[in-house]
Amino acid sequence: AQSVAQPEDQVNVAEGNPLTVKCTYSVSGNPYLFWYVQYPNRGLQFLLKYITGDNLVKGSYGFEAEFNKSQTSFHLKKPSALVSDSALYFCAVRDMSKGDMRFGAGTRLTVKP
Amino acid sequence: GAVVSQHPSRVICKSGTSVKIECRSLDFQATTMFWYRQFPKQSLMLMATSNEGSKATYEQGVEKDKFLINHASLTLSTLTVTSAHPEDSSFYICSASLRFGGLHNSPLHFGNGTRLTVT
Repeated sequence: AQSVAQPEDQVNVAEGNPLTVKCTYSVSGNPYLFWYVQYPNRGLQFLLKYITGDNLVKGSYGFEAEFNKSQTSFHLKKPSALVSDSALYFCAVRDMSKGDMRFGAGTRLTVKP
Repeated sequence: GAVVSQHPSRVICKSGTSVKIECRSLDFQATTMFWYRQFPKQSLMLMATSNEGSKATYEQGVEKDKFLINHASLTLSTLTVTSAHPEDSSFYICSASLRFGGLHNSPLHFGNGTRLTVT
């Protein structure tokens, strides 16, 4: 079965510092990995995806993610955090049989000024 | 980009009544829509998969008679919570996809969610 795990419930960083939100995956076959962001009482906004190719994927709002096959990880990164980046972040993998997204537990990112 | 509209964004209803939530794909035809439920401070849990013109497929533990799903057209799916109870209070989110078969590497597009409160 396809699954992802986010080991951290909460990540706190200071504005201007780099941020990392961790995600590991467990899939059979090639992984189709995604990152989404959720603001309070809102749906999910797509940030980026990894399908194949370059291991460093660039996405929306300055975010990027690095696919690491040997470590089965897909960590989300940003070189310089903004207060407005504070939100709930979900790593996800697309289930190849049903087509739905399987989400991690989510990581709440707080960027302090 | 693809837009999914979900309505209403917030609804308060009395116990025992039914509530309908609509999910529309605004600029593409969604052959498949997924309904998720999110409890406070938790992840999204898939409730059911809805395919246009056929019966929905429910995840284990989800009561199909309580959560009625209709996907009558390529742009509209509805979730009706029947005989709502306080424990049905939650955040419900829909997502839409083009036909899955050839687009398994595409992201799902999500509505903004519906906050249901049953009193």
